Amino acid sequence: DAGVIQSPRHEVTEMGQEVTLRCKPISGHNSLFWYRQTMMRGLELLIYFNNNVPIDDSGMPEDRFSAKMPNASFSTLKIQPSEPRDSAVYFCASSWGTAKNIQYFGAGTRLSVL
Amino acid sequence: AQSVTQLDSQVPVFEEAPVELRCNYSSSVSVYLFWYVQYPNQGLQLLLKYLSGSTLVKGINGFEAEFNKSQTSFHLRKPSVHISDTAEYFCAVSDSQGGKLIFGQGTELSVKP
Repeated sequence: DAGVIQSPRHEVTEMGQEVTLRCKPISGHNSLFWYRQTMMRGLELLIYFNNNVPIDDSGMPEDRFSAKMPNASFSTLKIQPSEPRDSAVYFCASSWGTAKNIQYFGAGTRLSVL
Repeated sequence: AQSVTQLDSQVPVFEEAPVELRCNYSSSVSVYLFWYVQYPNQGLQLLLKYLSGSTLVKGINGFEAEFNKSQTSFHLRKPSVHISDTAEYFCAVSDSQGGKLIFGQGTELSVKP
């Protein structure tokens, strides 16, 4: 299996621009998670989906962030407009089923907002 | 609400020495516990997990962890570390209701020759 695939691996953009991060979960997994990692705040869950439906978006920082999962094999995390404080590594993870199951992480997208 | 505290942000150790990375959790319900490892510029990989049963859990790369309910701890141990174990280690907790993981702040393990 190819694992969780994220694109792009690196993104550099200017403040105010729209940024879209993409994730392809492992085939057959029905839960998908978006995390953000920073030095100051560590690893934070932003949002997670189960069967393509958002279950918990309480970690989404503000209205500038939005996430979609139009089908079982694709998800996006969008930031519009982007700000320098959004600079971080964004991870996508997927799993099958319940809390007992392992989350498999992608390699991450390193976002720099100038 | 659940929370995880990793007591050491950095742990330097010499090669072939034993190591313990400490993790304490807080939860009012039954939990599942995990240790993940992150190598530089990579995503997280599962080392081991505790769901139920035996409190001593063995994982990959010679690591093991012990669940202690009375002390709400889940410390990670390895009897003899290698240079290749240099990485950041994250303890995480989830409850039985859903898939949400709460991570600790991470412990940076640095193995020196």
